[in-house]
Amino acid sequence: AQSVTQLGSHVSVSEGALVLLRCNYSSSVPPYLFWYVQYPNQGLQLLLKYTTGATLVKGINGFEAEFKKSETSFHLTKPSAHMSDAAEYFCAVSIAGYIPTFGRGTSLIVHP
Amino acid sequence: DADVTQTPRNRITKTGKRIMLECSQTKGHDRMYWYRQDPGLGLQLIYYSFDVKDINKGEISDGYSVSRQAQAKFSLSLESAIPNQTALYFCATSTTSGGLYNEQFFGPGTRLTVL
Repeated sequence: AQSVTQLGSHVSVSEGALVLLRCNYSSSVPPYLFWYVQYPNQGLQLLLKYTTGATLVKGINGFEAEFKKSETSFHLTKPSAHMSDAAEYFCAVSIAGYIPTFGRGTSLIVHP
Repeated sequence: DADVTQTPRNRITKTGKRIMLECSQTKGHDRMYWYRQDPGLGLQLIYYSFDVKDINKGEISDGYSVSRQAQAKFSLSLESAIPNQTALYFCATSTTSGGLYNEQFFGPGTRLTVL
C-alpha cells in the first residue's frame, strides 16, 4: 500500500525567504515521487519527479526536492520565494508506475 | 499544442439533474483519469481507464459513471446530481511508454455546483 502525508495545510513565507514544503510517504517498495503545483483557476502541472538515480531532483521555477529513503521524505524547497510562487502544492507517490496517490495539498502564501 | 481540454469549465445545476463532463486530449496518451478536488482533501480518484476497453472504479465512484468513447475522449456523468457533488473536477492523462513513470497531465478543471 502507498500513502503520502503533507505536513501543514498552509505555509506562509515572506518574499525572498526559504520555501520548505514537507512530504512523507509510506511504501513497501521503492517509490516514484512527484510534486505538482496548482495555480489559481488552473489544473495541476508537474514541478519535478523522482524515479531512480540521483536523489536531489531539480524542477521548474527554481524548486528542488531530495529523496531521503531513511526518512521516507521528499521535501520541496526553493531558496528564495517569489510572489508568483503562491499556489497549492501537491506531493504524490506511485509504486512502479501505478496510479499515484496524492497528498491533501499545501497552500503556499507569500507575503511582500 | 498537445493538450487536455475539459468542457464545460463551469456548470451550475439542480439536484436530480443528469450532468456530463467531457474530456479530450491530443497527447496520444492511453491512460485517462477523472478526479474530484475538495478543499483540504486533495485529489480523489473517481474512475480511470488504461485503454478504450478498460474502465476501472476509483476510490469514490458511487454516483458517477464514465464512458471512454475513443482513446482521446473520456466522459464523466453524474446520473442524478446531489449537492455534495459540488466540487472541482479534473481530467488527467498519462502514458505507459517512453520511460514516463505515470507522470500525469491535467486539464484546466470543471467547477460544478449542484443546488
